[in-house]
Amino acid sequence: DTAVSQTPKYLVTQMGNDKSIKCEQNLGHDTMYWYKQDSKKFLKIMFSYNNKELIINETVPNRFSPKSPDKAHLNLHINSLELGDSAVYFCASSPGRAETQYFGPGTRLLVL
Amino acid sequence: GENVEQHPSTLSVQEGDSAVIKCTYSDSASNYFPWYKQELGKRPQLIIDIRSNVGEKKDQRIAVTLNKTAKHFSLHITETQPEDSAVYFCAASNAYSGAGSYQLTFGKGTKLSVIP
Repeated sequence: DTAVSQTPKYLVTQMGNDKSIKCEQNLGHDTMYWYKQDSKKFLKIMFSYNNKELIINETVPNRFSPKSPDKAHLNLHINSLELGDSAVYFCASSPGRAETQYFGPGTRLLVL
Repeated sequence: GENVEQHPSTLSVQEGDSAVIKCTYSDSASNYFPWYKQELGKRPQLIIDIRSNVGEKKDQRIAVTLNKTAKHFSLHITETQPEDSAVYFCAASNAYSGAGSYQLTFGKGTKLSVIP
């Protein structure tokens, strides 16, 4: 199945913990993204990588660190989780300079 | 940077009626305008898009119009059905952002409810 996949789908954790979310795309796309969607449903871009190079780095706490080991994978590590980090995190990919973005199923993070 | 305003934030229509969602953008260099539909608990999915060299595009019951002069674009859904109920996002992108990628700026979304 060609798709953008994320793991885990659900993540429930305590404040102060460190967690990672993984994303993989097998669409052959050059560019990948992380978005945060809060309870108001607003989609906020966090990071973007093009061929493993960081190209978009929005104003995000430095507790969030993306890593792209290759152009098919983009992971997100979050240190010292806070209550306000609770949200749905979507990974997306696009075929390089083309504009259409394809989203993963989302990771629902709940920080207690 | 780009700023995209989307209206209304919520919209209720009777089944069979039409729905219109409007967006304005600020960057005159923007040249690509996709629309995404997000059903409850699901991922955003592209439903239609338009480029700045085209004024209108249709796909069955949905259509998008673009007015470059006024910097606004709209989504039109005709003969609405209950399965059209979802959150709809407009977005705009400029031609280039960093090394070989477009940055999409999303509107804040419109929650459409189609009442049977």
